[in-house]
Amino acid sequence: GGIITQTPKFLIGQEGQKLTLKCQQNFNHDTMYWYRQDSGKGLRLIYYSITENDLQKGDLSEGYDASREKKSSFSLTVTSAQKNEMAVFLCASSRGGADEQYFGPGTRLTVL
Amino acid sequence: QQQVRQSPQSLTVWEGETAILNCSYEDSTFNYFPWYQQFPGEGPALLISISSVSDKKEDGRFTIFFNKREKKLSLHITDSQPGDSATYFCAARQQGTGSKLSFGKGAKLTVSP
Repeated sequence: GGIITQTPKFLIGQEGQKLTLKCQQNFNHDTMYWYRQDSGKGLRLIYYSITENDLQKGDLSEGYDASREKKSSFSLTVTSAQKNEMAVFLCASSRGGADEQYFGPGTRLTVL
Repeated sequence: QQQVRQSPQSLTVWEGETAILNCSYEDSTFNYFPWYQQFPGEGPALLISISSVSDKKEDGRFTIFFNKREKKLSLHITDSQPGDSATYFCAARQQGTGSKLSFGKGAKLTVSP
């Protein structure tokens, strides 16, 4: 088994601020994902990474940057926080792109 | 365009009843359909999945019924328990290709004791 850790659990920022969310996994999985979950809108893919140093844009990448520093970690940066993007950000990982995805508990973003 | 649609958005059943959550999809190339269960404050977790070569998949009290011709599937939860109260997401993709998962908007199930 393994676990996905997301930090921080709650993130409060000011409008226009640059904010970074972090994700660590100890599954030794190759592929990692960042999703945004808005109430009533399901999960939308922001970025994913097939392997270390790889980066692929998802459907919602505008306004975000991501970095796969090493195999076990994947960070997401909100380049300029906006009030309409208050949501829960979920990190996930999978052995390969076609395998089951395991999710972390999420980071809840609030923008003041 | 919403590739995966779920209905109802919310459902309340009594303990012991069967809860039925529906899902439909647009892309006829989708052939793998996982259902995820999410409790408040937690990330989604894979509950049960089906591939398009099957029309039924059972795991304990959870059963997926799949109709390829109509591009519809449903999750049946028999003998519903209060602990089943959660949000359920239907998802879809092309199996084995590493393509992205498309998620529905979710269905909130409440099981009343």
